[in-house]
Amino acid sequence: DTGVSQNPRHKITKRGQNVTFRCDPISEHNRLYWYRQTLGQGPEFLTYFQNEAQLEKSRLLSDRFSAERPKGSFSTLEIQRTEQGDSAMYLCASSLTSGASSYEQYFGPGTRLTVT
Amino acid sequence: AQKVTQAQTEISVVEKEDVTLDCVYETRDTTYYLFWYKQPPSGELVFLIRRNSFDEQNEISGRYSWNFQKSTSSFNFTITASQVVDSAVYFCALSPDSWGKLQFGAGTQVVVTP
Repeated sequence: DTGVSQNPRHKITKRGQNVTFRCDPISEHNRLYWYRQTLGQGPEFLTYFQNEAQLEKSRLLSDRFSAERPKGSFSTLEIQRTEQGDSAMYLCASSLTSGASSYEQYFGPGTRLTVT
Repeated sequence: AQKVTQAQTEISVVEKEDVTLDCVYETRDTTYYLFWYKQPPSGELVFLIRRNSFDEQNEISGRYSWNFQKSTSSFNFTITASQVVDSAVYFCALSPDSWGKLQFGAGTQVVVTP
């Protein structure tokens, strides 16, 4: 049983470039979440999906950010025209919405983005 | 608006000492859920416990125990007889529903030395 995987694990990019991250949730988990974590802080919610539907987006998610989950399985998070303030760890989590442990979000290892 | 406050930035203890992590929350919801997650040096967040707002029973799991007090909006976490492997950042989190988005506190770094 594999956990949540994220690729790439590290990304260094120059300001103004676009980047895309991928998250593969645990198989059959219908909920998928994206969070962002900066050094010394707790994760901040960005957005989440139930199956392929994006149900909520945080006000933190500017127009430069877009997330998709086209077939209700993996998800991508794209940041356009990156800024230095986008440097952070981007975390993906998945969960079920039914069953005994449906409340437990399983987190991936994260993608660390550095914008130079 | 919801808010989670973990006032302790870092706690250092010697192995076998007990350590208590404080968590204070704010919410206008009558139904809500509280969580604790552990983030070891490897980085992946690990779920520890969930508690709903209607269940104020304290819980013990091995060396871990949780004290939920609705009257003071607190959900504190105690590690008894700490071990080096307990060294990690611990986050308290709040959610309006059981499987919704999590609002995390800033975390408390626990350092356990031999």
